[in-house]
Amino acid sequence: GAVVSQHPSWVICKSGTSVKIECRSLDFQATTMFWYRQFPKQSLMLMATSNEGSKATYEQGVEKDKFLINHASLTLSTLTVTSAHPEDSSFYICSARGPGSVDTSFFGPGTRLTVL
Amino acid sequence: DAKTTQPPSMDCAEGRAANLPCNHSTISGNEYVYWYRQIHSQGPQYIIHGLKNNETNEMASLIITEDRKSSTLILPHATLRDTAVYYCIGSNTGNQFYFGTGTSLTVIP
Repeated sequence: GAVVSQHPSWVICKSGTSVKIECRSLDFQATTMFWYRQFPKQSLMLMATSNEGSKATYEQGVEKDKFLINHASLTLSTLTVTSAHPEDSSFYICSARGPGSVDTSFFGPGTRLTVL
Repeated sequence: DAKTTQPPSMDCAEGRAANLPCNHSTISGNEYVYWYRQIHSQGPQYIIHGLKNNETNEMASLIITEDRKSSTLILPHATLRDTAVYYCIGSNTGNQFYFGTGTSLTVIP
């Protein structure tokens, strides 16, 4: 299947700082990528849809000024958690639609964010 | 997207078939049934998807009832590495998914 990577795999930061997480489609181009968040012992929650060359679409209840998404190329989307606080500590996962006619999405390995 | 209902947990003996049920009684005619699994602290892994016909690939088989209100994912010979949370999702886009709580499958030696 198609490969999606994320960087970093884990990050620890101080409260009030901003953290950038990268999501890359390694062997295919993805015009649309998705960002999810997962708290311990819970399911994945869709945060936003990232579209190449246009503004992201956020799910209800997700603060777009806090979670900045940039999709500058067909292989890269970034999620920046601005002014992070301990309650933002979570597992952040991206996905990208598969190449060609593949009608499904492939997920990255996730990024563990811990805010102290 | 269709709401799906899955049992919270299941056990399966190693080497036996694991049959994971999913109820999606509100699924619409153009929504596919997708199955993903998530091993602890990793991103979800695609398993299989289908619309109304049964599907099989190298990982699993998907059996969808004729009325499309439910489906079963079959892992033919479960191994310890199949221990994971399995998610059944109804979607008409194949792109964005609204995950339910899934089934935690434990394969027992």
